[in-house]
Amino acid sequence: KNQVEQSPQSLIILEGKNCTLQCNYTVSPFSNLRWYKQDTGRGPVSLTIMTFSENTKSNGRYTATLDADTKQSSLHITASQLSDSASYICVVSAPGGNNRLAFGKGNQVVVIP
Amino acid sequence: GAVVSQHPSWVICKSGTSVKIECRSLDFQATTMFWYRQFPKQSLMLMATSNEGSKATYEQGVEKDKFLINHASLTLSTLTVTSAHPEDSSFYICSAPPGRDSSYEQYFGPGTRLTVT
Repeated sequence: KNQVEQSPQSLIILEGKNCTLQCNYTVSPFSNLRWYKQDTGRGPVSLTIMTFSENTKSNGRYTATLDADTKQSSLHITASQLSDSASYICVVSAPGGNNRLAFGKGNQVVVIP
Repeated sequence: GAVVSQHPSWVICKSGTSVKIECRSLDFQATTMFWYRQFPKQSLMLMATSNEGSKATYEQGVEKDKFLINHASLTLSTLTVTSAHPEDSSFYICSAPPGRDSSYEQYFGPGTRLTVT
């Protein structure tokens, strides 16, 4: 079973609307949780990174939340734009300095005019 | 912010040939770089950890003789897919942490699309 589960797998939203993406993880202990945006055919680009002690972080119209007790995170996109169409990947890092990253499969978002 | 580049961005090769992909950290030094493979609608899968000046560490199930990794300098790692087959067709992405602690932040390259015919 994947250590990081994301939902919904895909969604279509109207331009200007808001949406929330969910990420549940089982990695424990964990060092930090990150959200990346991956455009089709491109590498992931970091949106937010939160340590276990943080419960919210914003980057423009993107706001991530983290509940370390329930092992859940969400990414909220406000006033969506066409350029927000992408895959949003939740990544959880375990402590230790090695590359112990657990990747979710991503939430595929399509924004339509 | 830190930038990681990859070259080429896409490549098509015939079955049986070898292909080299380069990963460069443009404005920072990286003693460690990571190579991932991503199939459509799937997660990034770590293939190997590239260590400057020493041998790469491969994940279970990844053939080290097929995927040759060379990390000759603090800004360059290369992945060579030897005797490529159609099943090697995938999106290859590298990443590098700007600091020693790779568990905090990593910067990803733009990826290389490999198609083996």
